[in-house]
Parts: sequence; structure tokens; C-alpha cells
Amino acid sequence: AQTVTQSQPEMSVQEAETVTLSCTYDTSESDYYLFWYKQPPSRQMILVIRQEAYKQQNATENRFSVNFQKAAKSFSLKISDSQLGDAAMYFCAVAQGSYDKVIFGPGTSLSVIP
Amino acid sequence: DSGVTQTPKHLITATGQRVTLRCSPRSGDLSVYWYQQSLDQGLQFLIQYYNGEERAKGNILERFSAQQFPDLHSELNLSSLELGDSALYFCASSLWEQGDTQYFGPGTRLTVL
Repeated sequence: AQTVTQSQPEMSVQEAETVTLSCTYDTSESDYYLFWYKQPPSRQMILVIRQEAYKQQNATENRFSVNFQKAAKSFSLKISDSQLGDAAMYFCAVAQGSYDKVIFGPGTSLSVIP
Repeated sequence: DSGVTQTPKHLITATGQRVTLRCSPRSGDLSVYWYQQSLDQGLQFLIQYYNGEERAKGNILERFSAQQFPDLHSELNLSSLELGDSALYFCASSLWEQGDTQYFGPGTRLTVL
């Protein structure tokens, strides 16, 4: 069965500092996709970044980057120059290649301290 | 704004009742997904439709059903509602059937009293 684990229920970071959110997953598929979604207090789910498992290069999107370690089944999110607007719940998710059933982790609540 | 719309935004109803949640995907997207997010739980995948056909099923109760219409909008029907069905219900859409990014709607908050 496909599972996603986020071992840090809560994290905090000083404004302008860097923080890394952890995610590990387990899948038997060779073809899959990984995502980080952000859910601010508005409860809207917002895509932060996406990584294809077949790509060795780590995805980046402005201040957001990932460290994808396929052998270790690890997919961490690094947020640089943290801003107050980054405060949210962050969900790691894995989508299998066969059917697009996305499995979400339990989430990490990130607080940004001014 | 993701381009995915959901109506209504809020819904308050009583136990035993039946409700219908509606979702319009982004223009051009063929896949629609439904998720349930309870207050103390993460996102639970319910069901996926692609171009009108059911493609994947998750933890969807028998009291729940969904369909995708020819114009690609989708409806999630919840019947014999229980207190535990109170949750935020998200719809998401993507262009293709697999491996594509899902864009989420704003959600429908269902409260069962």
C-alpha cells in the first residue's frame, strides 16, 4: 500500500530564514509523481511544487525547492527567505502513475515568526 | 484562483438528509477528483472521474456517490447524512488521467447537525 509520512506535525521558522519540511513515502510503483501542497487558514489547497520520480534533477520554484532522494524515498521541501505568508499547513503527496489517486501525508503546520 | 469552482461554499443540514455538491473543473481539464477533509484528519481521496468515466475509488462510503456529466462538471451526492460526515469537501481537476498536477477548488464546508 502506498503511504506518506510527515514526521514533523509542527514547525516554526524566523522570518527571512530557511526551513526544511520532511516527507517520506512508500510505494511499489516505479512511475509516480510527488507534490507539496500548501493550505493556508483560508483552507484553499495550493500547489507549491511538483517532482516527477523519473527526473533526477530536483524541482525548484522561486523560494521553494525539494531534495528528492529516490532510493531513500524521501522528498523534503526547503523554503528559503521565509515570509509571513508562508505560514500554513503543508501536505506532501504522492500520485501513482497508473491511476492518479493521490495519497496525502498528515501535514506539517508551519508558523513564521516575525 | 485555481479555476476550479465549487458550489455551495457552505452547507448546513440535518442528519438523515441528502445533499449534492457541485464542481466545475478548469477549462479543458478532463479529470475530476473528490476529497474529504475532516477537522482532525488529513485529506482522504474519495473518487476520480476521467472524461465521464469512473477511474479510481478511494475511501468512499456506499452512502456517497458521484458522477461526471458530458460537460465535465461533477456532482458528489451524500445521503443518509451522519454527524461524522461534517467536513470540508474538495474537488480537484487535472488535464489528463494520470501523472498530472491536480488543481483544487475552494471546497464546500458541510455541517451536519
